[in-house]
Amino acid sequence: GEDVEQSLFLSVREGDSSVINCTYTDSSSTYLYWYKQEPGAGLQLLTYIFSNMDMKQDQRLTVLLNKKDKHLSLRIADTQTGDSAIYFCAESKNDYKLSFGAGTTVTVRA
Amino acid sequence: DAGVIQSPRHEVTEMGQEVTLRCKPISGHNSLFWYRQTMMRGLELLIYFNNNVPIDDSGMPEDRFSAKMPNASFSTLKIQPSEPRDSAVYFCASSRAENTEAFFGQGTRLTVV
Repeated sequence: GEDVEQSLFLSVREGDSSVINCTYTDSSSTYLYWYKQEPGAGLQLLTYIFSNMDMKQDQRLTVLLNKKDKHLSLRIADTQTGDSAIYFCAESKNDYKLSFGAGTTVTVRA
Repeated sequence: DAGVIQSPRHEVTEMGQEVTLRCKPISGHNSLFWYRQTMMRGLELLIYFNNNVPIDDSGMPEDRFSAKMPNASFSTLKIQPSEPRDSAVYFCASSRAENTEAFFGQGTRLTVV
């Protein structure tokens, strides 16, 4: 949606780090999410961060939130071929409504 | 649990025909969502049910679309009559409560010719 924007494509070499960026417009967003969609599959929640946090790390995933700039990023360390997918940024205001970005297609090349 | 189950996985139909998409949410989840995914518009929330009651249907495109949830384990999304512009992937998702993690089904790819 237009409330959440992200770049459409990212190509990364296997073993390198991937960084996917997202910006959102609503400063009252409470939760920010990263979802992964593999070909022919539904969305899978990778991680999320509360708006009062700056960073969250979960194994190879690091989420950074700059609330002042309304900027969210997802870093994937040691990117593998299995990480090739579409990654969606989403936000919500502590209710049921998720606003999704258009998705970033990540291609991992050998 | 098998996760959110949608059927059919693929549907090809002729313009004007009725289409019914089905969803079985995860047992114990009381929130259910229908989303539509297209290249042009991305992911759009069509309708949200809580405890089988439609709470927000503001995303339903027009009267040709209707959704029901007769019980906690089953929901349908119906399009009658279908049009080529309805071609999309339709996802059902469920969550334990209103603002908890939503689990998505694998989607139904609908093609209207």
